Amino acid sequence: EAGVAQSPRYKIIEKRQSVAFWCNPISGHATLYWYQQILGQGPKLLIQFQNNGVVDDSQLPKDRFSAERLKGVDSTLKIQPAKLEDSAVYLCASSSHRGLKNEQFFGPGTRLTVL
Amino acid sequence: SQQGEEDPQALSIQEGENATMNCSYKTSINNLQWYRQNSGRGLVHLILIRSNEREKHSGRLRVTLDTSKKSSSLLITASRAADTASYFCATKKEAAGNKLTFGGGTRVLVKP
Repeated sequence: EAGVAQSPRYKIIEKRQSVAFWCNPISGHATLYWYQQILGQGPKLLIQFQNNGVVDDSQLPKDRFSAERLKGVDSTLKIQPAKLEDSAVYLCASSSHRGLKNEQFFGPGTRLTVL
Repeated sequence: SQQGEEDPQALSIQEGENATMNCSYKTSINNLQWYRQNSGRGLVHLILIRSNEREKHSGRLRVTLDTSKKSSSLLITASRAADTASYFCATKKEAAGNKLTFGGGTRVLVKP
C-alpha cells in the first residue's frame, strides 16, 4: 500500500513570498490533516478535512495560511505571505475514518526555510 | 498549546538497556498514542492505549496509562541503535473527532 505522498520535500523562500505544498493521502482515507512542526517541538494541527469539508481549522493562521481539498483526495496548503516564523516541517497525514480510534499515517513532510 | 508534555526531553542510553519516557496531559482523553520520528521513516504510529486500559504491550514496547494522574509512560526494553529517534505522545480528547494533540517529544539516543 502506498503511503502519504508530499511534495516538495524541501523549499527555501524569502519572507513575504508565497509557497504551496501538496499532499496525496493513502487511497480511500477520508480524513486528511496538515500539521506544522517547528524544530524541537511536536507537530501542531493546522487543519483537518473530512472528505472535502473542513472539520477543524482552529489553529490555522487564516490571515496567511489557506488549504483546500477540492475533490476530497489531494490537498494543498498555501502560505501567503510567508514570515520567518513559518520555517518548519509541514506534515500531511491521513486516516481512514473520523471519530474512530484510528492511527494517522504521516507523509515525509516538506521542510520550509524562510529567509 | 501542547496537551502532552514528555519527560525527559532527551535520553542517552547504551544498546541493550531499557529506555523509559513519560507523558503528562491536562484534559480528559479518549485514547493516548505514541509515535516515533526519525529522519529515515518520518512519523510512525507505535501503539495506542484507550482510556479504560492501564497497560499495553507491543513487541519490546510497554505502555502504561494512569488517568487519575493524567500520565502515561513508554518503556522500550533491550534497546537497539535503530531505536534512536524522537518519541511523541499524542492525546485524542473525548468528542474531538480524530484530532490528536502532540507533546514536545523525548529525543532518545541509543549508543552501540
